Amino acid sequence: AQSVTQLDSHVSVSEGTPVLLRCNYSSSYSPSLFWYVQHPNKGLQLLLKYTSAATLVKGINGFEAEFKKSETSFHLTKPSAHMSDAAEYFCVVSPLPSNDYKLSFGAGTTVTVRA
Amino acid sequence: SQTIHQWPATLVQPVGSPLSLECTVEGTSNPNLYWYRQAAGRGLQLLFYSVGIGQISSEVPQNLSASRPQDRQFILSSKKLLLSDSGFYLCAWRAVLSSYNSPLHFGNGTRLTVT
Repeated sequence: AQSVTQLDSHVSVSEGTPVLLRCNYSSSYSPSLFWYVQHPNKGLQLLLKYTSAATLVKGINGFEAEFKKSETSFHLTKPSAHMSDAAEYFCVVSPLPSNDYKLSFGAGTTVTVRA
Repeated sequence: SQTIHQWPATLVQPVGSPLSLECTVEGTSNPNLYWYRQAAGRGLQLLFYSVGIGQISSEVPQNLSASRPQDRQFILSSKKLLLSDSGFYLCAWRAVLSSYNSPLHFGNGTRLTVT
């Protein structure tokens, strides 16, 4: 079985400073991993995905994430936070091929951006 | 391109009334379809998923049911709503081909308040 742990339930940053959202996963096989963003009363939007190609993945809105197999981590970063980055972020792991329908979601990290 | 439509955006229903939420996907064939619920301040809970017409898998015993009458249509229903059914309901689709690596694509959600 696979699982995802988002290490911070809430992160607060100042506008223009870096953002780091931490995600650790467990999986018996090489996983596919995703980061989503959710603004209030909206659906989840895909930020980026890792699918066993390059370990450094670039996404939309200046976000990127690095897959580290040795650390079983997939942390999300952005060099300079913008007010519009205030939202909730979810790390997601894709299941094993034999159980290919259900994905595992982290509990989410709420990001607050201070002016 | 593929799009997903979910309606209504908001809904206020009395306890004991029926429910019907609809979701349709355009621009793809034979997608995997999902219903999630997000309670206030909590993560995403998978309610149902479907891999084909008439094929529904339920994740948790509850007051809700789902149907897939057409390839790209997914309906969430209840005969009698409970207060605990309040929440934010999200429909999502996922490509079947190489689905192990495919991300979920979400609708904009329905905010259901049961009074």
